[in-house]
Amino acid sequence: AQKITQTQPGMFVQEKEAVTLDCTYDTSDQSYGLFWYKQPSSGEMIFLIYQGSYDEQNATEGRYSLNFQKARKSANLVISASQLGDSAMYFCAMREPPRDSSYKLIFGSGTRLLVRP
Amino acid sequence: DGGITQSPKYLFRKEGQNVTLSCEQNLNHDAMYWYRQDPGQGLRLIYYSQIVNDFQKGDIAEGYSVSREKKESFPLTVTSAQKNPTAFYLCASSIQQGISYEQYFGPGTRLTVT
Repeated sequence: AQKITQTQPGMFVQEKEAVTLDCTYDTSDQSYGLFWYKQPSSGEMIFLIYQGSYDEQNATEGRYSLNFQKARKSANLVISASQLGDSAMYFCAMREPPRDSSYKLIFGSGTRLLVRP
Repeated sequence: DGGITQSPKYLFRKEGQNVTLSCEQNLNHDAMYWYRQDPGQGLRLIYYSQIVNDFQKGDIAEGYSVSREKKESFPLTVTSAQKNPTAFYLCASSIQQGISYEQYFGPGTRLTVT
């Protein structure tokens, strides 16, 4: 079963508008962490925002916010006031308590965002 | 500047040859990781290391090998046993293992095997 599901392979948004990128996750653990990364065409993965499963407030980092709905197991990324430089792939990822001593990140398949001028 | 460097950015090899991808970090991080990314997909874990001289297999370790002789270095060897080696390889590190610690990524190496 997919642990991280990103159902939007591609999205368009007009410059200066807000956009929401969807992410749902599957875990039976009570303790876990959710991450969003941005991958521009250069390939590097850039950390954007983190939400812990016990955090009561939604995480925010500048123009990025995470709409965390624990009961629905969703962790959507909201980008406000989109800029042309926001055009990139966006990955949602989860980290669970390790079964095998790794704290690996489990990634979704990504959403490609294109910001129109 | 602190960060992770990977070299080279592009690598071309003939089938049947082993190739080693470099990963160096000056962040003083304990944990290091290697991921593979195929077109249109997320990242999958190949190997990880929590401390020097110790490393563990990830989800897709077959055909790969690593070493961790120094804290700052975690090279990955793609052997001829890897059936589909053409991919984008990303190295990452984190200050330590834990649920809340983000991983910092290098710029990646794009490997093409023909």
